[in-house]
Amino acid sequence: SQQGEEDPQALSIQEGENATMNCSYKTSINNLQWYRQNSGRGLVHLILIRSNEREKHSGRLRVTLDTSKKSSSLLITASRAADTASYFCATDAGANSKLTFGKGITLSVRP
Amino acid sequence: ETGVTQTPRHLVMGMTNKKSLKCEQHLGHNAMYWYKQSAKKPLELMFVYNFKEQTENNSVPSRFSPECPNSSHLFLHLHTLQPEDSALYLCASGGTARGDGYTFGSGTRLTVV
Repeated sequence: SQQGEEDPQALSIQEGENATMNCSYKTSINNLQWYRQNSGRGLVHLILIRSNEREKHSGRLRVTLDTSKKSSSLLITASRAADTASYFCATDAGANSKLTFGKGITLSVRP
Repeated sequence: ETGVTQTPRHLVMGMTNKKSLKCEQHLGHNAMYWYKQSAKKPLELMFVYNFKEQTENNSVPSRFSPECPNSSHLFLHLHTLQPEDSALYLCASGGTARGDGYTFGSGTRLTVV
């Protein structure tokens, strides 16, 4: 069953602008992860935030987690054309570290 | 290269064929996964293996048959597939510590004709 739902489904921005993507989920989680996928390729792990963390940074990425609202956001600052890809949130909610993914957000960064 | 290698990258097969997808990782991960990715749908978890033992079968039809001979290799045997099984099949492995991110292979693009 789907756990994470990303919003918006598609986002188009100009190079240099910031991109904000949101994810909502339904059940309690151990952690939430964001992945990136270039067309026709596998997913690449970007960042993991644990349920007891509220914010995390990695380079141009900033992730927030609000467990009371069951939501997370991924901010990409100073976007580049190479950031064009699909972005997925995934939740780890139970045994076996099984991840459940959303449908993804398609980000287009115009040069 | 991510450390998880999937072969073949592309596969076209008829509905009466039998084929196998292969996944290999040498990252020391104990868990391996098969996911199916279809257009406009969330990734669907198919199978989970922990220490070579299957721990999850997510109601996958029996025409998909997984095999995990050791913790580094994972196969997905395919037979009598349907056109709706056409999709990108992704293999992933997970870290030994709980909460590690997955490492994905590049996937096998499967077309059933």
